[in-house]
Amino acid sequence: DAKTTQPNSMESNEEEPVHLPCNHSTISGTDYIHWYRQLPSQGPEYVIHGLTSNVNNRMASLAIAEDRKSSTLILHRATLRDAAVYYCILKSGNTPLVFGKGTRLSVIA
Amino acid sequence: DAGVIQSPRHEVTEMGQEVTLRCKPISGHDYLFWYRQTMMRGLELLIYFNNNVPIDDSGMPEDRFSAKMPNASFSTLKIQPSEPRDSAVYFCASSQISGTEAFFGQGTRLTVV
Repeated sequence: DAKTTQPNSMESNEEEPVHLPCNHSTISGTDYIHWYRQLPSQGPEYVIHGLTSNVNNRMASLAIAEDRKSSTLILHRATLRDAAVYYCILKSGNTPLVFGKGTRLSVIA
Repeated sequence: DAGVIQSPRHEVTEMGQEVTLRCKPISGHDYLFWYRQTMMRGLELLIYFNNNVPIDDSGMPEDRFSAKMPNASFSTLKIQPSEPRDSAVYFCASSQISGTEAFFGQGTRLTVV
């Protein structure tokens, strides 16, 4: 599986935007970029995914670099409930999700 | 739908005992995944099924671990005999087709003493 690189941790102030980066320099043409997050004491939950174009949904936005070697998950206004571990995962075809270590996001009131 | 349902939520057992973890996937989902999470190793894929058939069990750590999916609405992960190093949170997930959103259960926290 192609690998991703994320910072171990990030901190944000409440009500401010958060940009969570992910590098995936060995991404292949069929790899989709998926983001999941895991809130404390819960299972992972889907956030967003994309292939080439930027994507928006009610939870977040995903900005994908033109060469697809990096992407950024954007939370437009961080709340305390967004404190979680965020995982950036490359996935193609019928392969299951393979989790790395993710980025632990702390939100400060 | 109530989502992916796992039972029990917590299990404490003595070393050497048999442990059975249960999972009910979301109705209509044809993929089911078992993961294990520890502080040291993070989230690891153990095994996954497609239409009740095991596709890849290369993540199952040892022969002490076995998983079954007798029908589309039920799966079990069994550890026999259990050891303290099996202590972890075990997650079950399901998806409609692999490649789309996967839904995770709340997990079973297993402690082997």
